[in-house]
This record gives sequence, C-alpha cells and structure tokens, in this order.
Amino acid sequence: AQTIHQWPVAEIKAVGSPLSLGCTIKGKSSPNLYWYWQATGGTLQQLFYSITVGQVESVVQLNLSASRPKDDQFILSTEKLLLSHSGFYLCAWSGGQGWEQYFGPGTRLTVL
Amino acid sequence: GQQVQQSPASLVLQEGENAELQCNFSSTATRLQWFYQHPGGRLVSLFYNPSGTKHTGRLTSTTVTNERRSSLHISSSQTTDSGTYFCAIDNAGAKLTFGGGTRLTVRP
Repeated sequence: AQTIHQWPVAEIKAVGSPLSLGCTIKGKSSPNLYWYWQATGGTLQQLFYSITVGQVESVVQLNLSASRPKDDQFILSTEKLLLSHSGFYLCAWSGGQGWEQYFGPGTRLTVL
Repeated sequence: GQQVQQSPASLVLQEGENAELQCNFSSTATRLQWFYQHPGGRLVSLFYNPSGTKHTGRLTSTTVTNERRSSLHISSSQTTDSGTYFCAIDNAGAKLTFGGGTRLTVRP
C-alpha cells in the first residue's frame, strides 16, 4: 500500500525567514506529485505539480518554489517568508495511469 | 479558467437527517473528485466520479457531465460526518480546481 508523509507537521516562522517543507511517497514508483495551499477557512489552491524527477510545473507561484530531487520526494521552499504564506500545505500524489489524487496529512504554517 | 461552485456553503443537520451537497462547474469536466476534510485538516478522497452514480456506505455521488453538475448525498447523517466537503474538477492535464466547499455540522 502507498503511504505519503509530510514534514514538519507544523511550523511557526518569522517573516523573512527561509522555509522548506517536504513530502515523501512510499510504495508507488514514478508518481505524479502535487503541492496545494489552503488559507484558514478557505479552499485548496494547486501550487505545483511534477510528473517526473527534476521537472516541476508551476500553477500559482505565491513566491514559492518546488523541486523534485528524487522519484519519491517533493520539496516546497522559499528564501523569504511573507505573512500571506501562512496556512495549510498539502502534498498529493496520483498514479501514472490514473488521475485520482491522494493527499498527505499536511503541514500547518504560521508566519509571524 | 475552470470555475467550481458548491452549495450550500454551510449546512447544519440533526443526527439522522439526510444531506444533499451540490457542485456546479463552468466547463465540461473530464474528471471529478469529491473529498472530505476532517476538522483537523486531513483530506480524504470519497469518490472519483466523472460521470454516473457511485455508492459507498451511506454516501452516493451522482455526476451529470453534460449538465455540468455533481451531487453528494449523505444518508442518515452522524456526528462523525461533520467537516468540510469539497468537489474538484480537472478538464485537461494535471491542474485540479477546487470548489469553495460545504461545511457540514451534524448535531447529536
């Protein structure tokens, strides 16, 4: 069975500080990977997706970047956090042939 | 771009009542998925249902593609059904567009 992990579970960071969020999928080779952001009480917005190692497509940037250094790993980062980056970040995967997406437990980010 | 409208925005039920959640979208969707978000944030896939009717337990999803709408029916609601329900649409490629969600509260 496939499992998806996100780290950290929660972060409290200062404005202007760097950020790195991680996502790992186990039990699935060559997954499609996705990053989403959700403001408190809001809907989900897709940020990035990746179909293969080293390739990342931006949907909405929000002054963030993403990388896929390994087949099973997806990283979301920024060098300078803004207050507007606060929210809930979710990673998701889908199979190469299918499209249904499955989500990780999320990381809650508070920027002060 | 694709727009997804969900209604109602919020709903309060007494335990045992049924609920009907609606999802309307602006252009033909080739893929549609319903999700449930726990109050703590975890997002769970309920249905992948681009057309037709699907059932699981007390949940039924019906999508009428040419009318650009989908519904989620919850029968005999329970307090554990409380949370937010999202539908999401994709009509091409890997971009998934979410609706605004329906926040459901089921009271004992």
